[in-house]
Amino acid sequence: ILNVEQSPQSLHVQEGDSTNFTCSFPSSNFYALHWYRWETAKSPEALFVMTLNGDEKKKGRISATLNTKEGYSYLYIKGSQPEDSATYLCAFYQAGTALIFGKGTTLSVSS
Amino acid sequence: DTAVSQTPKYLVTQMGNDKSIKCEQNLGHDTMYWYKQDSKKFLKIMFSYNNKELIINETVPNRFSPKSPDKAHLNLHINSLELGDSAVYFCASSYTTGFTYEQYFGPGTRLTVT
Repeated sequence: ILNVEQSPQSLHVQEGDSTNFTCSFPSSNFYALHWYRWETAKSPEALFVMTLNGDEKKKGRISATLNTKEGYSYLYIKGSQPEDSATYLCAFYQAGTALIFGKGTTLSVSS
Repeated sequence: DTAVSQTPKYLVTQMGNDKSIKCEQNLGHDTMYWYKQDSKKFLKIMFSYNNKELIINETVPNRFSPKSPDKAHLNLHINSLELGDSAVYFCASSYTTGFTYEQYFGPGTRLTVT
C-alpha cells in the first residue's frame, strides 16, 4: 500500500510568520509530486508539480523543494498572511499507479 | 468562465435510487477524472478517461459507471445508492495522462444518501 504522509496535520501561525510543511512518499519509481492549496468551500487548486530530484518551484511567497532519493518534499510559506489559511495537499505519482493524495496540512493564519 | 463545472452541487437522495453527476471542462484537456473525498477527508481517484477512453478504474463497485460522451464531458452514474456512497465527489481534468501535469478540480458534488 502506497502512503503519502503529511506533517504537521495542522498548524496555527501569526501573520508574518514563515512556515513549512513536509510531505513524505515512497522513493521508488518516482514520477511526480504535486502540491495543492484547498480553501474551505472551494476546490483544490494546483500550486506546483515537480518531477525531478532537486526541483525547486516558487510562486510568490510560496516555494517547494523535492528530494526523490529520500522521499520528501517541503512547502514553504514566507511571511504568512490570513489569506494563506487553507489545507495544503501533496499528491504522489509512482509508475503504474494513480495520483495518491496525502491527508493535508491545515494552516490557520491569524492577524 | 468556469474551467471545470459539476452539477448538481448538492444531491440528497434515498438508498436504492439511481443518480447521475455531470462534469464539463472548457480547458481543452484530454483527460478527465472522478475523485471521491471519503469520510477521513482523503481524496481518492475513482476513474480516469483520456479522449473518451477509460484508462484508470480503481477498486470501485460496479454500481458506479462513468460515461464520457466527448473529451469535454465525464459523467458519473451511480446505481442502487447505499449509505456508504455519501461523500463529496470531485471531477478534475488535466492536459494529458500520466499525472505529470496539474489537475484542475471542479467545485465538488456533495452526495447524501439517506
